[in-house]
Amino acid sequence: DSGVTQTPKHLITATGQRVTLRCSPRSGDLSVYWYQQSLDQGLQFLIQYYNGEERAKGNILERFSAQQFPDLHSELNLSSLELGDSALYFCASSVREDIQYFGAGTRLSVL
Amino acid sequence: QKEVEQDPGPLSVPEGAIVSLNCTYSNSAFQYFMWYRQYSRKGPELLMYTYSSGNKEDGRFTAQVDKSSKYISLFIRDSQPSDSATYLCAMSARDDKIIFGKGTRLHILP
Repeated sequence: DSGVTQTPKHLITATGQRVTLRCSPRSGDLSVYWYQQSLDQGLQFLIQYYNGEERAKGNILERFSAQQFPDLHSELNLSSLELGDSALYFCASSVREDIQYFGAGTRLSVL
Repeated sequence: QKEVEQDPGPLSVPEGAIVSLNCTYSNSAFQYFMWYRQYSRKGPELLMYTYSSGNKEDGRFTAQVDKSSKYISLFIRDSQPSDSATYLCAMSARDDKIIFGKGTRLHILP
């Protein structure tokens, strides 16, 4: 168990809808990262938060947004969902950027 | 040219064999090199971490980095069926995001 908790494990929704994925980092970790994993693209970095502030942005679509709350948990919001957004979404947390601990992921299915 | 290249496999080897997994990269600024293991329907798990050229050993696992050739390897000795998973190489420059390979699917045949 990595200590990173993600909920829900699986989400099934329809195109055009909006969903929220939640992540609780390991105790003491200030950084939270969001990744998208698909078969053709592999693990793609979306965004990083550090102690409530956005630290780095990767290949995150404008339809996606994230935030980190004072208790350090984070949420990833995905809106106007398309079929191509179906993927595994992982959250990771760390004390240092080069060593990250991943949650079990949320599997998003857009029908 | 992609920053990190990794053969997706699948790679099937008999139990007890030595497994060799490899990645190449193009960014000479990469300083930190990692191998993650990912079981089906689970998150990636950090397996090996190194920041210098040469070999690093941890039990049955050896990570090798050749910065001059921009080539990293993971060797698994005495492979077990429980080693069957997807192995992702990963690397980063100082204070920069981690770039992952697409992963190699490994099957160890009993």
